[in-house]
Amino acid sequence: RKEVEQDPGPFNVPEGATVAFNCTYSNSASQSFFWYRQDCRKEPKLLMSVYSSGNEDGRFTAQLNRASQYISLLIRDSKLSDSATYLCVVNMGQYNFNKFYFGSGTKLNVKP
Amino acid sequence: ETGVTQSPTHLIKTRGQQVTLRCSSQSGHNTVSWYQQALGQGPQFIFQYYREEENGRGNFPPRFSGLQFPNYSSELNVNALELDDSALYLCASSKPSGSALDEQFFGPGTRLTVL
Repeated sequence: RKEVEQDPGPFNVPEGATVAFNCTYSNSASQSFFWYRQDCRKEPKLLMSVYSSGNEDGRFTAQLNRASQYISLLIRDSKLSDSATYLCVVNMGQYNFNKFYFGSGTKLNVKP
Repeated sequence: ETGVTQSPTHLIKTRGQQVTLRCSSQSGHNTVSWYQQALGQGPQFIFQYYREEENGRGNFPPRFSGLQFPNYSSELNVNALELDDSALYLCASSKPSGSALDEQFFGPGTRLTVL
């Protein structure tokens, strides 16, 4: 079993749609969680960190469920510019000893 | 732009050779992580350096080694190259603040092809 698992997609949605991605992780002691966005042939960029209480940034909402060991990302009112691969990242290190695991990414295509 | 630079951008090597990839971290960042990203996959954590010491390692064999210099730039060395080492190698810098939620800033990557 992989440490971090995501549905690879692609998710093909029309502009304005709401789309949700989930990601599961294996280590219940994991400390921190992130969503990164990666455009084709570009480096990953931080979209948002995921807090235990859940957090929202504009059209994006991230949730963490420690009991079930998954995190989610909800995108509302999808834009063409949201088309990208979304990577779930979990830090399974302890204290200052980091060990970041990326999922394989979920591809989103937003169509006009 | 993240301020993280990597060199070279592209590299072609043959099996059995050795390669050194370089990364300059963003100003003020003292932590560098290296990742391998195969086509269609997410980045795989190789290792991290914090203040010139290895501070975390993924599931990569010892022929993957690294260094961090006093100016916090870093090198990734790979010995005895194999065909499966062909990938995009990304470095990411960060400045730990005591929070586990420190953001990593990625460089553009080095594309390594092993023939």
